[in-house]
Order: sequence, then structure tokens, then C-alpha cells
Amino acid sequence: GAGVSQTPSNKVTEKGKYVELRCDPISGHTALYWYRQSLGQGPEFLIYFQGTGAADDSGLPNDRFFAVRPEGSVSTLKIQRTERGDSAVYLCASSPLGSGGANVLTFGAGSRLTVL
Amino acid sequence: AQTVTQSQPEMSVQEAETVTLSCTYDTSESNYYLFWYKQPPSRQMILVIRQEAYKQQNATENRFSVNFQKAAKSFSLKISDSQLGDTAMYFCAFNNAGNMLTFGGGTRLMVKP
Repeated sequence: GAGVSQTPSNKVTEKGKYVELRCDPISGHTALYWYRQSLGQGPEFLIYFQGTGAADDSGLPNDRFFAVRPEGSVSTLKIQRTERGDSAVYLCASSPLGSGGANVLTFGAGSRLTVL
Repeated sequence: AQTVTQSQPEMSVQEAETVTLSCTYDTSESNYYLFWYKQPPSRQMILVIRQEAYKQQNATENRFSVNFQKAAKSFSLKISDSQLGDTAMYFCAFNNAGNMLTFGGGTRLMVKP
């Protein structure tokens, strides 16, 4: 596609529920990243995929968070037993190359998750 | 671990004037990359400018330029001829040639007519 697409744009859920957030990267981009942006803060790294595998998941806060990218394209971020502290904007980004600081990431518009 | 600090939570500037946003970072790496991203209310992060640490020449993109002081670990963004469309959050970010960007806390810029 022309850009990184994220769905849903907004999601409101109740504490304890399960949510899935989807990211559709730019076609051909092998690297995919998830970030979390809490209100009034900068984005924080969650996980990085190179192809189908999670090359770096050091940013996932706990085992309630999980992400997959089964075919090396679309990725889904899954949050179990949501808590109010999970409320944030979840940003996805992709780049044409793998790891390397020169990579320019293209971001999606994010999914705003609100846990009541 | 790398840290990125933006000491100005909010800034304002009159249209057509120049404004400078500050950023400092802390790293022990010698090879790295620095970025400024703009985030308008639409939430999408847009790359403004990029600097490679091994290049001494400051990067420039049209009305946007940086002042990169490697020894001081400082990376400020200058916006010339400010436009109303420049109103947004601006984030400084660091990449040590690894997998992740480390972002600062952001500066909210308001351009006033």
C-alpha cells in the first residue's frame, strides 16, 4: 500500500478484555516495529520484526503483550487481560531494510486504545 | 542505555519567524543517527530531518536545519520562516545502528498568525 495502515483507529474496551491491533506495512518492507505512546510522552519501543520472526521483543512490558507476523507482512499486536495502564496510542512503523540506524521508519497513524 | 532529553515542553513562534527546538542525548556509542520527527494531531509521525553522527556537516531540508554538536551531544532543530502548518509535536530520536529508535519526550510547537 501507499503507507502504513493501522486498524482500528480507536478502540475502547473494558478492563480485563482481550484486544488485537492490526498493522499493514508498506508492501515490500521487511522490517516492522511496534511502539507505544502514552499521553504526553514520546513513543517507546515494544518489538521489532525482521520478516516473520521477532528479532527484538525487549520492549514488551510483560507477558500480557504478544505480537505476530505470520507471513512477513501484516502484524497483529495482542493484549490479554487489559489494564487501565495499557491505555495509549500504539504506533506501527515499517522500513525496507533490517536493523541499522540509517533506516528511515515510516509510521502509521496509530491505534488509540482506551481501557475503561 | 541511550537517553534523549527535550527540555522545552512547549514553544511558540510568530508566523514567518525562526524557532529553535533543543535536544540532548546520552550515549557511549561513536556511530549513530539522529532524527527529528513531527507529529501533527493526525498522530502520524513524519520524518523532518536526519543526521549521521560521522558527518560533521549539519543536515538541511528546505526550511529545516540542525545544529549538531557531537562533543556536547546536542542536536537542535531550527525552523525558519515558520508556517501555520508547522504547528505540531516535535520529537528528537536516536538510533545507535540497532533495531530501535529512542525518542525524547517531545516539544509542542505552536505557530501563531
